[in-house]
Amino acid sequence: KAGVTQTPRYLIKTRGQQVTLSCSPISGHRSVSWYQQTPGQGLQFLFEYFSETQRNKGNFPGRFSGRQFSNSRSEMNVSTLELGDSALYLCASSLGQGPNTEAFFGQGTRLTVV
Amino acid sequence: AQSVSQHNHHVILSEAASLELGCNYSYGGTVNLFWYVQYPGQHLQLLLKYFSGDPLVKGIKGFEAEFIKSKFSFNLRKPSVQWSDTAEYFCAARYGSSNTGKLIFGQGTTLQVKP
Repeated sequence: KAGVTQTPRYLIKTRGQQVTLSCSPISGHRSVSWYQQTPGQGLQFLFEYFSETQRNKGNFPGRFSGRQFSNSRSEMNVSTLELGDSALYLCASSLGQGPNTEAFFGQGTRLTVV
Repeated sequence: AQSVSQHNHHVILSEAASLELGCNYSYGGTVNLFWYVQYPGQHLQLLLKYFSGDPLVKGIKGFEAEFIKSKFSFNLRKPSVQWSDTAEYFCAARYGSSNTGKLIFGQGTTLQVKP
């Protein structure tokens, strides 16, 4: 069974631009979460979607947004990119929602802002 | 605030040595605990998880962790490490019984095993 797929794997963008990252969850999984991983801050929760609805949001500015489609695929968008947005963005999918579900992670998208 | 802390940032061991990585979580009511591993160039993989019941949890690849509620700790152990265990290890917590999958991660511990 295919794992969580994130595209693209690598991105280089210029300050001020916007970027869209994509995540395809494991087939049958309806919950998708996004995390930002940086050397300084570690892994930080961005947001969580279940059945096309945002269920939870982390402490990030409004420039970070996301959505989930009816097929459970998810995208996250970062507008007006800043140098500090350079990070590995990880997507995780789960079968359902709730504390007892296991999250499966993709390999991430490495975003570099120059 | 809900938080997870890992005290060992970088650990270097020789093969066959025993491993213990510390993890503490802040109080926040009901909590589920996880250890994830990230091998170089690979995605995060679940090593083990604790939801309830027996506080000694066994995971994959010979890893185990003990949940000690009184100490708010969930330390990861392995009796004898191998070179292939070289990786970054993350402790994570999920708080509450509500419908949220949000994970709060520790800063991670880089383990280097020397052959």
